[in-house]
Amino acid sequence: AQSVTQLDSQVPVFEEAPVELRCNYSSSVSVYLFWYVQYPNQGLQLLLKYLSGSTLVKGINGFEAEFNKSQTSFHLRKPSVHISDTAEYFCAVINNFNKFYFGSGTKLNVKP
Amino acid sequence: ETGVTQSPTHLIKTRGQQVTLRCSSQSGHNTVSWYQQALGQGPQFIFQYYREEENGRGNFPPRFSGLQFPNYSSELNVNALELDDSALYLCASSSDRGRYEQYFGPGTRLTVT
Repeated sequence: AQSVTQLDSQVPVFEEAPVELRCNYSSSVSVYLFWYVQYPNQGLQLLLKYLSGSTLVKGINGFEAEFNKSQTSFHLRKPSVHISDTAEYFCAVINNFNKFYFGSGTKLNVKP
Repeated sequence: ETGVTQSPTHLIKTRGQQVTLRCSSQSGHNTVSWYQQALGQGPQFIFQYYREEENGRGNFPPRFSGLQFPNYSSELNVNALELDDSALYLCASSSDRGRYEQYFGPGTRLTVT
């Protein structure tokens, strides 16, 4: 069985500060990893994905994530956040059987 | 290019009733996945349809069923509604080429009373 753990349910941060949203996964098979963002009353938007290759993945809106196989982590980072980054962020994995597993989400609250 | 659309946007049903939710996939996409997102939780995978056939299912009872049509649009049907079925239902589409890149619709908010 697979699971995704997002360790922080809420992360408050001041504007222009760096942020890291943590994600750990458990899996006995190869996985593909994703981060999605959800703005209020909207669907999910893909930020970035890791399928293979370089473990440092760059996404939209200045976000990046690093795949760490030994620590089974895929933490999301941004060096300087904006008010507009306030949203909920979901980490997800997909296995060889086309099943997506999402974490419980981290609410990023960027304060002026 | 039209994105993923879902209808209706909101729905209120009574316990025991049946409901049908609809999803139109993005142009060129032949795969549709459905998710249930309860309040304060991440989306839970219900099932996926690929070229009109079910292609994977999560831990949901048989009263959750689906269809995919030749134009790759899809329906999610839920029978014998329970209070716990109240949630945001998300549909996502993807193509063969971008198989793991799913594009989500805005969702249907279902409230069961």
